[in-house]
Amino acid sequence: EAGVAQSPRYKIIEKRQSVAFWCNPISGHATLYWYQQILGQGPKLLIQFQNNGVVDDSQLPKDRFSAERLKGVDSTLKIQPAKLEDSAVYLCASSTVNSPLHFGNGTRLTVT
Amino acid sequence: RKEVEQDPGPFNVPEGATVAFNCTYSNSASQSFFWYRQDCRKEPKLLMSVYSSGNEDGRFTAQLNRASQYISLLIRDSKLSDSATYLCVVNRGSGGGADGLTFGKGTHLIIQP
Repeated sequence: EAGVAQSPRYKIIEKRQSVAFWCNPISGHATLYWYQQILGQGPKLLIQFQNNGVVDDSQLPKDRFSAERLKGVDSTLKIQPAKLEDSAVYLCASSTVNSPLHFGNGTRLTVT
Repeated sequence: RKEVEQDPGPFNVPEGATVAFNCTYSNSASQSFFWYRQDCRKEPKLLMSVYSSGNEDGRFTAQLNRASQYISLLIRDSKLSDSATYLCVVNRGSGGGADGLTFGKGTHLIIQP
């Protein structure tokens, strides 16, 4: 079974620039999550999709972050404009009914 | 009180020793509990679920204490390969599966030869 695919693996941008991350979940997994993990912290949920609908985006900073999953498969997470405190690993995960989370390798973002 | 609290460590433990971590949670309605393992610069991976009756998987034992709202992880006969960060994960609601999970900051374990 192929795992959750994410790209890019690393990204360095200057503050106020824009950046986008891509995720392809495990085939057949209806639920897709984006987590932010700051160094020394546990992952924090940013947004959860069920197919192409948003289930939970209560912790997404909507003034600068956006995410979409238009066809219920791939997803993109965008930050515009980036701040220094956005430096983190952005983890995509997917799951199916009563299954655990399966994480991708993550995208390590550095904002300078 | 934070939703999920863990001692960040690091715990420096000699190889072969037994080590235990605790994690406390604040939401008494939580129904699902997990331990995830995260290696340095890698993604978290499920180590084991924690059931009300406790569960064991080889050298690893997980326990749940609902009255005191904590879960524990015990590692026996520790190996060098057990060195990692162990994340305590609690469901925020009463549902199962992967929805509504809150992660602790993790406990860093270093097994020394």
